[in-house]
Amino acid sequence: DGGITQSPKYLFRKEGQNVTLSCEQNLNHDAMYWYRQDPGQGLRLIYYSQIVNDFQKGDIAEGYSVSREKKESFPLTVTSAQKNPTAFYLCASRLAGGPNEQFFGPGTRLTVL
Amino acid sequence: GNSVTQMEGPVTLSEEAFLTINCTYTATGYPSLFWYVQYPGEGLQLLLKATKADDKGSNKGFEATYRKETTSFHLEKGSVQVSDSAVYFCAPRFNTGNQFYFGTGTSLTVIP
Repeated sequence: DGGITQSPKYLFRKEGQNVTLSCEQNLNHDAMYWYRQDPGQGLRLIYYSQIVNDFQKGDIAEGYSVSREKKESFPLTVTSAQKNPTAFYLCASRLAGGPNEQFFGPGTRLTVL
Repeated sequence: GNSVTQMEGPVTLSEEAFLTINCTYTATGYPSLFWYVQYPGEGLQLLLKATKADDKGSNKGFEATYRKETTSFHLEKGSVQVSDSAVYFCAPRFNTGNQFYFGTGTSLTVIP
């Protein structure tokens, strides 16, 4: 089955530690995205990538980093510089061009203790 | 600039009631318009979409019509069910850039 997988579903880390969230898709989509969702709020764009080895900052990129070495993978690292990292993180992908929708993964809930 | 405004929630309805969730946008061009739904603890799923003026998107009894003259894309359902309880997001994709803009989400609770 084609889709987007995010792992793990729940992640706990101590303050000051970097943590990497996984996002993999087998839809052969060109573009991939990372969003952050806080309780009762909408989605805020962290980073997106339209092609391998290229990515752009979204609205809240500070304290985060990404890489896009393979078309199917777009990992997000939450660094210790992120002031308030506890949140629900969503990865999405879409086929580039035209009015194509985004497909979302199930999300990773990160809690920093 | 480009922006989206979505009706604030939470919304609580009785089963079989009529649902409307308002969504308006501002744009320099004509975006593609999407509604997504999010069930508790899950990612977002596409509910419906419309790509040009006067298009009507529909799915699972939900409908929304692309109204260019009022720059709106209101979500409607004639008879809601308990299983429709979720958060609904309006998300225009503007022609500039490769980003989607998500509304703040409207939480819907349907009670039996």
